[in-house]
Amino acid sequence: IQMTQSPSLLSASVGDRVTLSCKAGQNINNYLAWYQQKLGEAPKLLIYNANSLQTGIPSRFSGSGSGTDYTLTISSLQPEDVATYFCQQYNSWWTFGGGTKLELK
Amino acid sequence: QVQLMESGPGLVQPSETLSLTCTVSGFSLTSYNVHWVRQPPGKGLEWMGVMWSGGSTDYNSALKSRLSISRDTSKNQVFLKMNSLQSEDTTTYYCARVSNWEGFFDYWGQGVMVTVSS
Repeated sequence: IQMTQSPSLLSASVGDRVTLSCKAGQNINNYLAWYQQKLGEAPKLLIYNANSLQTGIPSRFSGSGSGTDYTLTISSLQPEDVATYFCQQYNSWWTFGGGTKLELK
Repeated sequence: QVQLMESGPGLVQPSETLSLTCTVSGFSLTSYNVHWVRQPPGKGLEWMGVMWSGGSTDYNSALKSRLSISRDTSKNQVFLKMNSLQSEDTTTYYCARVSNWEGFFDYWGQGVMVTVSS
C-alpha cells in the first residue's frame, strides 16, 4: 500500500498549530502510526491506531482521520518538535510515507 | 527496560554478504516480533522483513531473493543476512519491536550505518 505524505517540507513558528497529512493508496482501517525522527536518531512512535497517543508523548500531538486520509496535528509547535515525521500503515504488511520535514520559520 | 541494539560491520564490499545482529533485552523473542527496517541517507524508511515470535519469517518481496532472517532465542538475538550487496544498499539498518496483537513499531534500536564500497 503506497503512503503519500504532504507537504514534504513545512516551515512554522513556535506556537503555531501544525498539520501534517498522510494519504494511503487504499483504505487502511485506521491501522496508521506516526513517528518522529530527529537528526541522527531512530524513529520514535508518537501515535498508533490513527489517534491513540503513545505513553509519554506530549498531549500537543494528536492524530485523526479514517479510510485513506490521516492527519498529525501539533497544537502548539515547540522548538524540540523540529524533526522529520513519518506515517506508516500496518493494515497490509508495512509501508511508510516519504516523510515531512518540519523546521522553524 | 526494553532495548534493541544492532551491530555489524560498517563497511561491506560490493557483491558480498551483509550480516547484522539485533540483540534485545527487556522482552522475549518468543512473545514479540522483531522487524528489520532500513533508511538510505536522507530518505524514507523501507520495511525489510520480520522474525515472528513463533519463529517463522516474512520478507519484503523486493528483497526476498537476497534476504534471510534468523534468531537465537537463547542469546536474545535476531540476525539479518543479505547477499549480493550493491551501492544502493548503503543505508542505516534498524531492528524494531512489534507486539503480537499490534502492527506498529513501539521500540527501535539506534541503527547501524552500513556502507557498500570497495
